Amino acid sequence: GESVGLHLPTLSVQEGDNSIINCAYSNSASDYFIWYKQESGKGPQFIIDIRSNMDKRQGQRVTVLLNKTVKHLSLQIAATQPGDSAVYFCAAQTGANNLFFGTGTRLTVIP
Amino acid sequence: KAGVTQTPRYLIKTRGQQVTLSCSPISGHRSVSWYQQTPGQGLQFLFEYFSETQRNKGNFPGRFSGRQFSNSRSEMNVSTLELGDSALYLCASSPEPAPATNEKLFFGSGTQLSVL
Repeated sequence: GESVGLHLPTLSVQEGDNSIINCAYSNSASDYFIWYKQESGKGPQFIIDIRSNMDKRQGQRVTVLLNKTVKHLSLQIAATQPGDSAVYFCAAQTGANNLFFGTGTRLTVIP
Repeated sequence: KAGVTQTPRYLIKTRGQQVTLSCSPISGHRSVSWYQQTPGQGLQFLFEYFSETQRNKGNFPGRFSGRQFSNSRSEMNVSTLELGDSALYLCASSPEPAPATNEKLFFGSGTQLSVL
């Protein structure tokens, strides 16, 4: 079956630095990936997605990189701000199946 | 436009009881998915409903069930509660069922269930 895991359960960065959150997935047939942000007391919110025919996609201050060879994706947040403190999840989809989520990385931004 | 609404926000039950959680999707969204979130397991897919029919189901025992009404509102039920059922139960809605619009999946704030 599918499994999705994040490399580090917690990550602390200084305000203004760049953050990199990593995620590994198990199913080489996974073809769609999403990063979510979950703030305390709220449900996950969509940040950015990428399909398997791409290896990089950029949004506002965020970039997702996909390496299909090693089944790894990362979320890069530029100039991290206190408002970025949250738990970040990656999720993978294979074909017509629903999303499989990782266990999350808690990002703490130090002022 | 109102977001996904889940009620109640918090719930405390004892082992052996049953519980019903409610989810109202975003207006116009016809697909509702349920997820269980625990600290060690992350988000795990329970089931998805579309047009009052269950389309997909995750690897949960039969004690977990759900349904969807004609107005797209959904309920999930857990019978014979166990301590391990303590979790945040999240509902998400989208205009169409997976996989078409996973990027348009909107989550509610969840119901925090504690089983004592």
